[in-house]
Amino acid sequence: GAVVSQHPSWVICKSGTSVKIECRSLDFQATTMFWYRQFPKQSLMLMATSNEGSKATYEQGVEKDKFLINHASLTLSTLTVTSAHPEDSSFYICSARGRGLAGGPMYEQYFGPGTRLTVT
Amino acid sequence: GNSVTQMEGPVTLSEEAFLTINCTYTATGYPSLFWYVQYPGEGLQLLLKATKADDKGSNKGFEATYRKETTSFHLEKGSVQVSDSAVYFCALSHLPTGANNLFFGTGTRLTVIP
Repeated sequence: GAVVSQHPSWVICKSGTSVKIECRSLDFQATTMFWYRQFPKQSLMLMATSNEGSKATYEQGVEKDKFLINHASLTLSTLTVTSAHPEDSSFYICSARGRGLAGGPMYEQYFGPGTRLTVT
Repeated sequence: GNSVTQMEGPVTLSEEAFLTINCTYTATGYPSLFWYVQYPGEGLQLLLKATKADDKGSNKGFEATYRKETTSFHLEKGSVQVSDSAVYFCALSHLPTGANNLFFGTGTRLTVIP
């Protein structure tokens, strides 16, 4: 089946530094990638949607200058948390949909295992 | 707006016990409803779905029925196994495949002990 990986699986950083999280589709072309985050005891919430080669579309209340998303290839999207602060500590999950190896469309999202970010 | 409320965990059951995880939703229109499962170290995987009222989704012994009158989609399994230990997420989407915006609940962690 379609596999999505994320790296790193967890990261601890100091306040004020930037952190980059990678999301890769391993066996399919991800034309669309989604970034979600989950705060403790809260729902998994969509942050932004990105289409390959285009700027990401951010959900209301998500700062695009703080959460930089790059989807420059059909297999890789990155989320950079700039000038991270403790309130950015969260679980970040990416998902992807796109085209299978044979070129046919894929009709559901496939999820990565998530990245736990802790900002001290 | 769209939102999903699911029962808080964690839930701990003995093997072969009956499982229910409650899920209710609020949505505009007629959404499709989903259950996703996340095993340790893996991504969320679609477990089952239902796209219209009274539909029953089922997979791996799990089932859930789309109840429009109670806006619910409770997950059930008659006899759980240790291998069912995971986090379960209820979700809704306005696309039957869930290909776009998915609105998730908080997730419920299930631990099954031998």
